[in-house]
Amino acid sequence: DAGVTQSPTHLIKTRGQHVTLRCSPISGHKSVSWYQQVLGQGPQFIFQYYEKEERGRGNFPDRFSARQFPNYSSELNVNALLLGDSALYLCASSLGTEAYEQYFGPGTRLTVT
Amino acid sequence: AQSVTQLDSHVSVSEGTPVLLRCNYSSSYSPSLFWYVQHPNKGLQLLLKYTSAATLVKGINGFEAEFKKSETSFHLTKPSAHMSDAAEYFCVVSDGEKTSYDKVIFGPGTSLSVIP
Repeated sequence: DAGVTQSPTHLIKTRGQHVTLRCSPISGHKSVSWYQQVLGQGPQFIFQYYEKEERGRGNFPDRFSARQFPNYSSELNVNALLLGDSALYLCASSLGTEAYEQYFGPGTRLTVT
Repeated sequence: AQSVTQLDSHVSVSEGTPVLLRCNYSSSYSPSLFWYVQHPNKGLQLLLKYTSAATLVKGINGFEAEFKKSETSFHLTKPSAHMSDAAEYFCVVSDGEKTSYDKVIFGPGTSLSVIP
């Protein structure tokens, strides 16, 4: 079975631009969550979506937004990119709404110059 | 509020020797604790989890961890390191088994190197 997939693998953007990252969950999983992992740190929670509704939000500015589609795939959007947004963005999926056991994708490496 | 401390940012061991990765946590509730591993260019993989059952938890690839409430610790061990164990390891705490995602806190990670 396919695991969580993310696209693109790598991305380079300049300050002020907008970026969209994509995630496809494991088949049957209805919850998708997004994390930001800055180099040398652990992942930080950004958003969780379940059944197309936002169920949780971390401490990130409004420049960050996300949505989930009827097929449970998800997009993370970041506007007005800053140098500090450079990070590995991880997507994880799980069956239900609890964070009990998540399955992570390989991530998208975003570099902002 | 929960917090997690990984006491070593980097650990280096020789192949075939024991591995010890240290984790201390702080939680106002009965915590759930996890260890994840991250290999280069790969996603995070769950190694093991503690959710208020047995205090000694066995995971995949020969890893295990012991929950010690009195010491607020959840150290990860393996009797004999293999080259394929070289990776980044994250200790994770949440305030219970059924918790919201914003209550799941990742530690800063420990990088494990295995010397042939």
